[in-house]
Amino acid sequence: GENVEQHPSTLSVQEGDSAVIKCTYSDSASNYFPWYKQELGKRPQLIIDIRSNVGEKKDQRIAVTLNKTAKHFSLHITETQPEDSAVYFCFNAGGTSYGKLTFGQGTILTVHP
Amino acid sequence: GAVVSQHPSWVICKSGTSVKIECRSLDFQATTMFWYRQFPKQSLMLMATSNEGSKATYEQGVEKDKFLINHASLTLSTLTVTSAHPEDSSFYICSASLGLRSPLHFGNGTRLTVT
Repeated sequence: GENVEQHPSTLSVQEGDSAVIKCTYSDSASNYFPWYKQELGKRPQLIIDIRSNVGEKKDQRIAVTLNKTAKHFSLHITETQPEDSAVYFCFNAGGTSYGKLTFGQGTILTVHP
Repeated sequence: GAVVSQHPSWVICKSGTSVKIECRSLDFQATTMFWYRQFPKQSLMLMATSNEGSKATYEQGVEKDKFLINHASLTLSTLTVTSAHPEDSSFYICSASLGLRSPLHFGNGTRLTVT
């Protein structure tokens, strides 16, 4: 993964609304697409990931969609709760080697009660 | 499974001294570990890839002589910040993975403050 663009940089929603964060990558050989959540001062934690043989994966309120043709993948959070407030990072690595591991720029999600 | 332990969690040192940070994979063998630096409200920036039994691969702009990395065993990688300066103050975090298509498992991070 060489170039990863993540948008938006900040996202503010009301509790119960949905949130969508998108990452665009450039390495067509990429085949693994995780999303990490990082709370203030803590380590990033994997919340969901998808591999290139599927287009969508869902885990309760969280889902990830992948569009390999357009080279982007998105994180969807439904029925947001205040505890969802954190920084979210997408991640991309080269398809056949570690190469240049790249995190997206991060999205600060704030869920207002 | 796949637990990564990082120590210390925070350290304060004087300018000019060196600080060593340890990263251990507790329940798996990690031939490759990664060291990141994170400034407040910014993303994680890869500093170097630590390879067991060989030299680390540093990212462009990262000084090899300043950030010494040693990966002497399959479960331990160390990052030594030499001759630390206030601008080295940051959050350093290590990670390891079981493979390219596997998640990164992160240590808790080390908050370094150089006075």
